[in-house]
Amino acid sequence: GENVEQHPSTLSVQEGDSAVIKCTYSDSASNYFPWYKQELGKRPQLIIDIRSNVGEKKDQRIAVTLNKTAKHFSLHITETQPEDSAVYFCAASLGPGTASKLTFGTGTRLQVTL
Amino acid sequence: GAVVSQHPSRVICKSGTSVKIECRSLDFQATTMFWYRQFPKQSLMLMATSNEGSKATYEQGVEKDKFLINHASLTLSTLTVTSAHPEDSSFYICSAAHGTEGQYFGPGTRLTVT
Repeated sequence: GENVEQHPSTLSVQEGDSAVIKCTYSDSASNYFPWYKQELGKRPQLIIDIRSNVGEKKDQRIAVTLNKTAKHFSLHITETQPEDSAVYFCAASLGPGTASKLTFGTGTRLQVTL
Repeated sequence: GAVVSQHPSRVICKSGTSVKIECRSLDFQATTMFWYRQFPKQSLMLMATSNEGSKATYEQGVEKDKFLINHASLTLSTLTVTSAHPEDSSFYICSAAHGTEGQYFGPGTRLTVT
């Protein structure tokens, strides 16, 4: 089955700096890659996703890049703010369709310091 | 947007008893729902895929007789933890697949078995 690795496990940045989280996946058939933000005790919230026919997607301060050849994708957060502090999970799936299960990475705890 | 609810949000039960957790899609129909378990400071681990009107598909290592799943309608899936033990204490999160938009997560249920 699919295996998703995520690095780093913890990341501390100063407010205003950029943060980058990287994931690799094993199943070349995976074609949907969402990123979730989870605050302590709360549900994971989808912040951005990318499909395999796209190399990069941006939404304000958040961007995701995908390299299908190398089987890795990355989350980029620019101009970080204290409210960006949370645990971020990447995931991979055979598609966003109803029957496609997600395989999650191990998570990155991001701390944005003042 | 798509909303998924879970009930209860917290439950404490005694060892040996059973606990039922409900997952509802409030504003859309979900043919497929997923059940995850998350231990402290760990990632989400898929337990099973719940399909409306058919048997659930369990991930390797998940005991189907211990974690009973029923997806009786297009808006409701239930997870029953039978004969709960302290090691079953965890954060249980469901998600519902919303067409091709991906998965939306419930707020989670924190189960504590004493």
